[in-house]
Amino acid sequence: DQQVKQNSPSLSVQEGRISILNCDYTNSMFDYFLWYKKYPAEGPTFLISISSIKDKNEDGRFTVFLNKSAKHLSLHIVPSQPGDSAVYFCAASSSGAGSYQLTFGKGTKLSVIP
Amino acid sequence: DSGVTQTPKHLITATGQRVTLRCSPRSGDLSVYWYQQSLDQGLQFLIQYYNGEERAKGNILERFSAQQFPDLHSELNLSSLELGDSALYFCASSVSGGAEGTQYFGPGTRLTVL
Repeated sequence: DQQVKQNSPSLSVQEGRISILNCDYTNSMFDYFLWYKKYPAEGPTFLISISSIKDKNEDGRFTVFLNKSAKHLSLHIVPSQPGDSAVYFCAASSSGAGSYQLTFGKGTKLSVIP
Repeated sequence: DSGVTQTPKHLITATGQRVTLRCSPRSGDLSVYWYQQSLDQGLQFLIQYYNGEERAKGNILERFSAQQFPDLHSELNLSSLELGDSALYFCASSVSGGAEGTQYFGPGTRLTVL
């Protein structure tokens, strides 16, 4: 049973436009959400996170939106750049579990076309 | 560079063998997590240690074990290896086992079992 789902395996966007990556979760105990970027042959790189007490967090070109009622979050990248081409993973954790282990989605491969 | 180091980068071995993967967390981080990424499963949490003690267990096989040493580095031991154990193994660290949950990942060890 996949608790974190990224339903789009891939996404292509023109340079300069907005990239929107989506993520859905089923476990209502999740209260902290993160986005990681991953290049081939490298470890995931932390991008941005959001706590369940917020509905938006912004860091430069990256904004994460959280809709708790829909159990949905999204990552917006504006403007998109060719260097943003990578696989993006959504992850979630629960403070109630006492561990903060991350549950990952299967990733969305973003291609930014120059 | 996340500050998390993993050795070796690549490991090729035969079925039935035993290997040890090593991880050094970021300076000051007390918590170490191990994840496995196989082709069809995505990133799966294996086990977490916090300041030398096991904190949580995920989908870790009985043939696998881990420990965290007093200097906070961690080792993941994989024994009686099978072809299906071929995967990327990532280590991540965080400041505590129960803070915001942001984890920083190492570059990974690619294990190939022949």
